[in-house]
Amino acid sequence: KAGVTQTPRYLIKTRGQQVTLSCSPISGHRSVSWYQQTPGQGLQFLFEYFSETQRNKGNFPGRFSGRQFSNSRSEMNVSTLELGDSALYLCASRDRGPYNEQFFGPGTRLTVL
Amino acid sequence: SQELEQSPQSLIVQEGKNLTINCTSSKTLYGLYWYKQKYGEGLIFLMMLQKGGEEKSHEKITAKLDEKKQQSSLHITASQPSHAGIYLCGADAPNTGTASKLTFGTGTRLQVTL
Repeated sequence: KAGVTQTPRYLIKTRGQQVTLSCSPISGHRSVSWYQQTPGQGLQFLFEYFSETQRNKGNFPGRFSGRQFSNSRSEMNVSTLELGDSALYLCASRDRGPYNEQFFGPGTRLTVL
Repeated sequence: SQELEQSPQSLIVQEGKNLTINCTSSKTLYGLYWYKQKYGEGLIFLMMLQKGGEEKSHEKITAKLDEKKQQSSLHITASQPSHAGIYLCGADAPNTGTASKLTFGTGTRLQVTL
């Protein structure tokens, strides 16, 4: 099976713009979670989608939103970008495996100038 | 909220040496995951521990969860350059019924010198 894929891999935006990141989970996985990783805050949970519904949400402002499609592919959107949004955004998918582990994609590196 | 503290923050070891990374939780751990990350890339699942006193091994890596389920350790025997990277522990959020909302530790950066 193909792994989790994320597009684009790298992105440069300017303050005030908005951005959409895409994640394709492993085939058959219905849960998709998003995380933000920065040097200062580490790896932080953004939200999780399961069967097109947001099931869990982290402590991020409303500028961060997401959605999931019927084929389990997910997108996250960040509006009105701030310099502090520069980060590696990781997507992970999960199935009912023996360890319930999440499988992570390679990430999208977002730079906000 | 649950917090995970990892120690040490960084580690430089000579190839062939053993090393241990610790992960301490502020609350009881219901599921503890160890991941490895190459710089700027995604995370690779290593092991998951759930029961107090549990110990698992894979190749030269052994992870343990203490009896009180508030601390885990990751031990690498005879380190190799391929072990270099960032090691992260992650914990399930209790009562969420899902392992999809992980709280991660601060990370331990491991370098292995020749």
